Amino acid sequence: DTGVSQDPRHKITKRGQNVTFRCDPISEHNRLYWYRQTLGQGPEFLTYFQNEAQLEKSRLLSDRFSAERPKGSFSTLEIQRTEQGDSAMYLCASSLGGPQRGANYNEQFFGPGTRLTVL
Amino acid sequence: RKEVEQDPGPLNVPEGATVAFNCTYSNSASQSFFWYRQDCRKEPKLLMSVYSSGNEDGRFTAQLNRASQYISLLIRDSKLSDSATYLCVVNRGGADGLTFGKGTHLIIQP
Repeated sequence: DTGVSQDPRHKITKRGQNVTFRCDPISEHNRLYWYRQTLGQGPEFLTYFQNEAQLEKSRLLSDRFSAERPKGSFSTLEIQRTEQGDSAMYLCASSLGGPQRGANYNEQFFGPGTRLTVL
Repeated sequence: RKEVEQDPGPLNVPEGATVAFNCTYSNSASQSFFWYRQDCRKEPKLLMSVYSSGNEDGRFTAQLNRASQYISLLIRDSKLSDSATYLCVVNRGGADGLTFGKGTHLIIQP
């Protein structure tokens, strides 16, 4: 399977603990995105990387959240001191940047997500 | 006003019928438009991009009206397997994150 993969698929933690999620994008994709989705809502953008550079962070990304993509391949998203409000599905997506694909070149492909439950 | 607005549904439609989804967006600087499909407890999957001239892919037709900031999706001859949530998505262009609507839940009834 050459799609986006995420690990773990499910995580249950107690409030106050730190958690880390991993995302492996489609191998030739240089852009990687993190989103969060809660029940009944569409995904909400958190942050994105172009290669190893983190180029944008949403205001949803509080100081307790940090993301890295050290070698421009896989990425990690860490949440420190988790709160019950952090319970959600965390989705990773990747895309191949560049205008050569036409007007809608930012087609993003999603991984299966990590479902976080904070007790 | 929300950036992307959709009627949440649910839409209950008999198999074989034509289904229409509508969406409006508020940011006139938006440059890219998509429809994603999301099955229950699964990730969103790209259904189709939406081009200014309108585009068709089999039973699916997407239209964009930039003046009205309105996007539509039509599904003809609906199948049971079309049951899902359909998400309207816009992008400001470049490498920006996508902005999703809440989605419209579609139920195709036999």
